[in-house]
Amino acid sequence: DQQVKQNSPSLSVQEGRISILNCDYTNSMFDYFLWYKKYPAEGPTFLISISSIKDKNEDGRFTVFLNKSAKHLSLHIVPSQPGDSAVYFCAASDYNTDKLIFGTGTRLQVFP
Amino acid sequence: DAMVIQNPRYQVTQFGKPVTLSCSQTLNHNVMYWYQQKSSQAPKLLFHYYDKDFNNEADTPDNFQSRRPNTSFCFLDIRSPGLGDAAMYLCATSRGRESGQFFGPGTRLTVL
Repeated sequence: DQQVKQNSPSLSVQEGRISILNCDYTNSMFDYFLWYKKYPAEGPTFLISISSIKDKNEDGRFTVFLNKSAKHLSLHIVPSQPGDSAVYFCAASDYNTDKLIFGTGTRLQVFP
Repeated sequence: DAMVIQNPRYQVTQFGKPVTLSCSQTLNHNVMYWYQQKSSQAPKLLFHYYDKDFNNEADTPDNFQSRRPNTSFCFLDIRSPGLGDAAMYLCATSRGRESGQFFGPGTRLTVL
């Protein structure tokens, strides 16, 4: 039973355009959400997070949107750059624990 | 630079031959985690330590053990590796839920 789902295994976007990566969750106890980026042969790197008291958090080219009623979050990257090509993992936790539940990842490819 | 280090990066072992993976951190974080990640799957939490308090996930096989002799080091012992244990093993640290988790580069385990 997967509590965090990333239904698109891959996404291909042209450089300069917007990349939108989606994530759905089922556990209504989740109140903190994170996005991680992973290059080959490296560990995941923290990218951006959002608390459930917010619906948007922005950091430079990266914005995360949270729709609690739909149990959905998305990561927007604009403008996309070739260096953004990586696997992006969505993760969630509830207030009881430091543990993260990860999605299966979306492989983003940004082409020139 | 403060970081999470995993050794070795690649480990080959034989079926049934015990193996130990190591993780060290210079971040002085009190929480350490071990994840198993198989190809195209989400990282799966095996254990975590909150200081010296050990927390085992319910579905972590008995074949997997862990030790944390001090704040900086954490070990993952696989007593009798099977072919199904071939995976990437990720170590992560944290100083609290909203600081996120910091990952090492991982150790890729191959079981022959």
